[in-house]
Amino acid sequence: SAVISQKPSRDICQRGTSLTIQCQVDSQVTMMFWYRQQPGQSLTLIATANQGSEATYESGFVIDKFPISRPNLTFSTLTVSNMSPEDSSIYLCSVVAGGPSYNEQFFGPGTRLTVL
Amino acid sequence: AQSVTQLDSQVPVFEEAPVELRCNYSSSVSVYLFWYVQYPNQGLQLLLKYLSGSTLVKGINGFEAEFNKSQTSFHLRKPSVHISDTAEYFCAITGTASKLTFGTGTRLQVTL
Repeated sequence: SAVISQKPSRDICQRGTSLTIQCQVDSQVTMMFWYRQQPGQSLTLIATANQGSEATYESGFVIDKFPISRPNLTFSTLTVSNMSPEDSSIYLCSVVAGGPSYNEQFFGPGTRLTVL
Repeated sequence: AQSVTQLDSQVPVFEEAPVELRCNYSSSVSVYLFWYVQYPNQGLQLLLKYLSGSTLVKGINGFEAEFNKSQTSFHLRKPSVHISDTAEYFCAITGTASKLTFGTGTRLQVTL
């Protein structure tokens, strides 16, 4: 398994500003992802955070809006840029752990973002 | 492309009654299947997973699920629910890329 922490746990931000969310894992992991959960909805994958290279974004998400860094195998950041109220969501990071024969994902506790 | 359908957005049930939460999926490749639970104001916790082998999978908190390949279903069951089971339940699938595709969730509301 993997223990994941996220900072901040929640924040209230003004329109037009940016927020950087940190994700820390207690062990080295190959695959790390960022998801968004809009109010009352399911989770949507934003991107795969690749160590040492640019993130791989899903359809509808772009690097200018959601820049992602992954400097090593235990840490990643997601920035929500030029925020609007529509960005109010819970942002979760997840990792795949358990060895090459498993595809089990573990999730962080999430960052609850409110944009005014 | 992959998709997950959770047929019930809400399921009300009395305490100690049995419950089934339905999940159907669509995929052109073999998939792994998961059920996650999200308690109010908390993150996601893995309930159980199907990777291979026996189609009946047992998870935490007394939950189990059965993988039915012919019906492309992975329904979640519990023979007797408790108030503390009140939560949002998400069915999810993943192929070889490990990227999870989630269903829209089922809100389980357990009352006395």
